[in-house]
Amino acid sequence: DAGVIQSPRHEVTEMGQEVTLRCKPISGHDYLFWYRQTMMRGLELLIYFNNNVPIDDSGMPEDRFSAKMPNASFSTLKIQPSEPRDSAVYFCASSPGGPNEQFFGPGTRLTVL
Amino acid sequence: GENVEQHPSTLSVQEGDSAVIKCTYSDSASNYFPWYKQELGKGPQLIIDIRSNVGEKKDQRIAVTLNKTAKHFSLHITETQPEDSAVYFCAAPSSYNTDKLIFGTGTRLQVFP
Repeated sequence: DAGVIQSPRHEVTEMGQEVTLRCKPISGHDYLFWYRQTMMRGLELLIYFNNNVPIDDSGMPEDRFSAKMPNASFSTLKIQPSEPRDSAVYFCASSPGGPNEQFFGPGTRLTVL
Repeated sequence: GENVEQHPSTLSVQEGDSAVIKCTYSDSASNYFPWYKQELGKGPQLIIDIRSNVGEKKDQRIAVTLNKTAKHFSLHITETQPEDSAVYFCAAPSSYNTDKLIFGTGTRLQVFP
């Protein structure tokens, strides 16, 4: 298995633009997690899905953030409109069950100018 | 729990020496404690985890110990090598949702040859 795949690896955009981050979890994993990592706040869970259903989005910072998982092999995290403070590395992770044994993707480094 | 404290924030050791990183948690009901290693430009990778029904777990040069009474757990790396240099994160389940992990603030380990 190729592991968790994220795209793009780097994204540079201007304030106000829409940003879409993509994730392909490991086949057979029922859980998918979206995290954000910054120097100031560390690694924060934004939202997670179980069997494609969003379970807890309490970590999503604002209504500008949304996430979907239309099927077991694909998820997106969208920011609209983007702001400079959204600059961070966004990770997607998947696991076969709950918080255990999470496999992280390589991350997307987002820079909002 | 909702608070996972990790110390130290940086650690420098000579190759061959041991390194110890300690984390404390607040929720006595927590029962799963993973450790992740993050290399530069990569996502965190699970290296070892421990459940509350055991006090110690080893995997080659890596070990984790758990003290449930004191609510702390530690990562021990023996015979350190330069490739052990990375940022290490501990985590524990959230008090409000055990499917969510709360991560420590990370320890940057540098192993000098």
